[in-house]
Amino acid sequence: QSALTQPASVSGSPGQSITISCTGTSSDVGAYNYVSWYQQHPGKAPKLMIYGVSNRPSGVSNRFSGSKSGNTASLTISGLQAEDEADYYCTSYTSTRARVFGTGTKVTVL
Amino acid sequence: EVQLVESGGGLVQPGGSLRLSCAGSGFTFSSYSMNWVRQAPGKGLEWLSYISFSSYTIDYADSVKGRFTISRDNAKNSLYLQMKSLRDEDTAVYYCARDDGAAPHSMDVWGQGTTVTVSS
Repeated sequence: QSALTQPASVSGSPGQSITISCTGTSSDVGAYNYVSWYQQHPGKAPKLMIYGVSNRPSGVSNRFSGSKSGNTASLTISGLQAEDEADYYCTSYTSTRARVFGTGTKVTVL
Repeated sequence: EVQLVESGGGLVQPGGSLRLSCAGSGFTFSSYSMNWVRQAPGKGLEWLSYISFSSYTIDYADSVKGRFTISRDNAKNSLYLQMKSLRDEDTAVYYCARDDGAAPHSMDVWGQGTTVTVSS
């Protein structure tokens, strides 16, 4: 159950778009459309931002979008805002019935 | 208001045991599968365990299999995590999280977390 691989940090200026990758294997990300993304501000609980690869829960801004190609999923934040500065984690269901989180990405708004 | 509230964290010596609880409110607890997730200081999220709404299906991460036991009492709207043989590396904030009924294997409601410190 190795963690999914995410870049440690991604940054962008307000209004720009950024993309965070989440690389797994054919036993997790590549095998199922059960990839979710979570946003976590310091000292707070995680918040679900994307489920089922590309679906947004009610109340989540349409600036957040998700996709997947092969063993890599991606989260794109468009029109970057100061409030988007946070840690982001992907997660996937796996063939062993475990769930696995990504290593996490710190998003900085310049 | 849909809410999850964890309790039971604290300081425990290596090798000791602790039982965490998670109380659900504002939703039909018995209809939802649940998870435990932890976060060590300054580290990322780690999924620990899953229990289906009926307790029929239970899954564990390899890191806690054989040491941690997940359970639930739907009559009390409560989820539990019994932890034994605790190690220094089990020090973390422990969250309970609801599995989104409409989106399997995603967690749509989280508690505020309870802190477990394993130290002598």
